[in-house]
Amino acid sequence: QTVVTQEPSLTVSPGGTVTLTCASSTGAVTSGYYPNWFQQKPGQAPRALIYSTSSKHSWTPARFSGSLLGGKAALTLSGVQPEDEAEYYCLLYYGGVRVFGGGTKLTVL
Amino acid sequence: EVQLVESGGGLVQPGGSLKLSCAASGFTFSGSAMHWVRQASGKGLEWVGRIRSKANNYATAYVASVKGRFTISRDDSKNTAYLQMNSLKTEDTAVYYCTRHQDDSRTFDLWGRGTLVIVSS
Repeated sequence: QTVVTQEPSLTVSPGGTVTLTCASSTGAVTSGYYPNWFQQKPGQAPRALIYSTSSKHSWTPARFSGSLLGGKAALTLSGVQPEDEAEYYCLLYYGGVRVFGGGTKLTVL
Repeated sequence: EVQLVESGGGLVQPGGSLKLSCAASGFTFSGSAMHWVRQASGKGLEWVGRIRSKANNYATAYVASVKGRFTISRDDSKNTAYLQMNSLKTEDTAVYYCTRHQDDSRTFDLWGRGTLVIVSS
C-alpha cells in the first residue's frame, strides 16, 4: 500500500518562511507524480493551491510556491500571513489512482 | 455559477447501501472527469475514486478499500455524478466531496461542500 508522508505539524511566525514536504513510500517524487497541494480550513472544503509540481491557480496567492526538493514535493510559503493557518495536503498521482498525504497542520504564531 | 453540490448523505446501518449525487452547474460537465474524496471527522483527506468522460470511455478507478463495494457513475444529460456505496462499514463514515478534475493540467480545481455519511447501528 502506497503511503504519502507529510510533516504532521509546523509552526511559523507571521512574515516568516516555511516549507512543507511530501514524500512517497515508492521512492523519490518526480514531476511524473504531478504533485498537487491543497489548503483546508476548519469546516470548509479543500481549496487547490498548486498543481503539476509548481503551477498556480489564478486564485493562489503569490507567496505560495511549489517545487521538488531532495526527492520530495515541497510547498513553500514566503511572508506568511495569519490567514495561512490551515491544514495543507499534498496529493500524488500513481497511474489511475491518487493518494493524499496525511496533512500538515500549519500554525502561525 | 460554477459549482458542485453533493446530496444523499445520511445515517445508514452497517451492511447497508447509500447513493450520493453530485450535481454540476456552470461548466461543461460532460467533458470533465469527476472524482470523489472523503474525510472522516478529524482525519485527513482520502481519495475514493473517479470516472472519466465519455471521450475516455467513462473509465473508473477506486482506492483499494472500496473496490468491489463502491461504484461511480454519471449521467451527462443530468450533469450529475453518482457514488453508489454498498456493504457499508463503520469506517466509511465521513464527509464525501465530489471534485472536478482537469485532465490536461492534472488538478482538482472545483470542489463541492460535501455530504455527511454516517454508518452506525
